[in-house]
Amino acid sequence: SQKIEQNSEALNIQEGKTATLTCNYTNYSPAYLQWYRQDPGRGPVFLLLIRENEKEKRKERLKVTFDTTLKQSLFHITASQPADSATYLCALGPTGGGNKLTFGTGTQLKVEL
Amino acid sequence: GAVVSQHPSRVICKSGTSVKIECRSLDFQATTMFWYRQFPKQSLMLMATSNEGSKATYEQGVEKDKFLINHASLTLSTLTVTSAHPEDSSFYICSARQGQGPTEAFFGQGTRLTVV
Repeated sequence: SQKIEQNSEALNIQEGKTATLTCNYTNYSPAYLQWYRQDPGRGPVFLLLIRENEKEKRKERLKVTFDTTLKQSLFHITASQPADSATYLCALGPTGGGNKLTFGTGTQLKVEL
Repeated sequence: GAVVSQHPSRVICKSGTSVKIECRSLDFQATTMFWYRQFPKQSLMLMATSNEGSKATYEQGVEKDKFLINHASLTLSTLTVTSAHPEDSSFYICSARQGQGPTEAFFGQGTRLTVV
């Protein structure tokens, strides 16, 4: 069956460092992958999209990579700030396209002063 | 970005009653709306996909007679939890998307339902 794994343990890093979050999947060939941020008691907010034929995408301090051979995506936040503290979810689009997303369990990031 | 408004943000109801949650796309027409359920520290579980003017498509294991979805217009979808029980207590979130394919999903702020 399809499975999406993100680090279940919280990631604590120091302000100014780069945070790297991992999303691994099995039995799946997504046409695209998205990353979302979710704050407690709120709905997720879209951050980045990367398609299966793309290796890397950047947006300001954010960078996402997509390795379809390893079946893995890495999400990086450079020069992290306490305001970046949140839960980050990866979401996979269906094989061949379409708009039904399947979400990972999320990784909680805490950026400390 | 586009705004999706979900109402109410919190609701407490008695067992056996029904609760309606509204999801509106305020500044765009949503081709498709999705309803999710989220338990603490868990992922978003898709309950159903709703397209305007047609019946919702429910995920396996979701009771369609218990979770009634109506997508009356391109800007409004509603989820009604019928005959609610304490085990229905959860965080319900809607999202709206334009078109098919890898477009971003816009989420409502979520509804915390507590059934007592």
